[in-house]
Amino acid sequence: KNQVEQSPQSLIILEGKNCTLQCNYTVSPFSNLRWYKQDTGRGPVSLTIMTFSENTKSNGRYTATLDADTKQSSLHITASQLSDSASYICVVRYNDYKLSFGAGTTVTVRA
Amino acid sequence: DAGVIQSPRHEVTEMGQEVTLRCKPISGHDYLFWYRQTMMRGLELLIYFNNNVPIDDSGMPEDRFSAKMPNASFSTLKIQPSEPRDSAVYFCASSFRDTDPGELFFGEGSRLTVL
Repeated sequence: KNQVEQSPQSLIILEGKNCTLQCNYTVSPFSNLRWYKQDTGRGPVSLTIMTFSENTKSNGRYTATLDADTKQSSLHITASQLSDSASYICVVRYNDYKLSFGAGTTVTVRA
Repeated sequence: DAGVIQSPRHEVTEMGQEVTLRCKPISGHDYLFWYRQTMMRGLELLIYFNNNVPIDDSGMPEDRFSAKMPNASFSTLKIQPSEPRDSAVYFCASSFRDTDPGELFFGEGSRLTVL
């Protein structure tokens, strides 16, 4: 069973609209959580990192949240652009250097 | 820095042939990872090295897969003999533990098609 679950699996939004992606995890002991963006045909690139003491962190139009008590994280995209079309992967680091990957959420932004 | 460099970007081969994928990590990084990505299974860790030493190869599917890291600037992933189910995108990633723990820097991937 995957220890990092992402939802939804995919979504389609209109340009300029907002959306929120979810990541729930069960791995422990927790070290940090990263959101990666993967454009089609490219390797994933880190967007943001969340540590245990952080609740919210922004990177431009991307805002990540973390609730370490409920083991949930979200990635909010504000005023979406066509270039936001990509897969977004949640990766949780635990137990020193182990990493657990979510299956990803595919976001399609339409004009 | 040029980032993680992988070759070839695309490989089409016939079942039973040997395939060798290559990776040059970012200079100074002490961790190197090989991942496989498919639509069905997402990103899967195959093996990772620390200071050129294999640490965890539990993700390597079977004996047909082998990986080496002869020095800090080069690694290979070999599949022999290849099978159609090996078709996937193979990513190499590197990391430097002591600066920003856990961030992986991925290459552009090698797309393998086994006919």
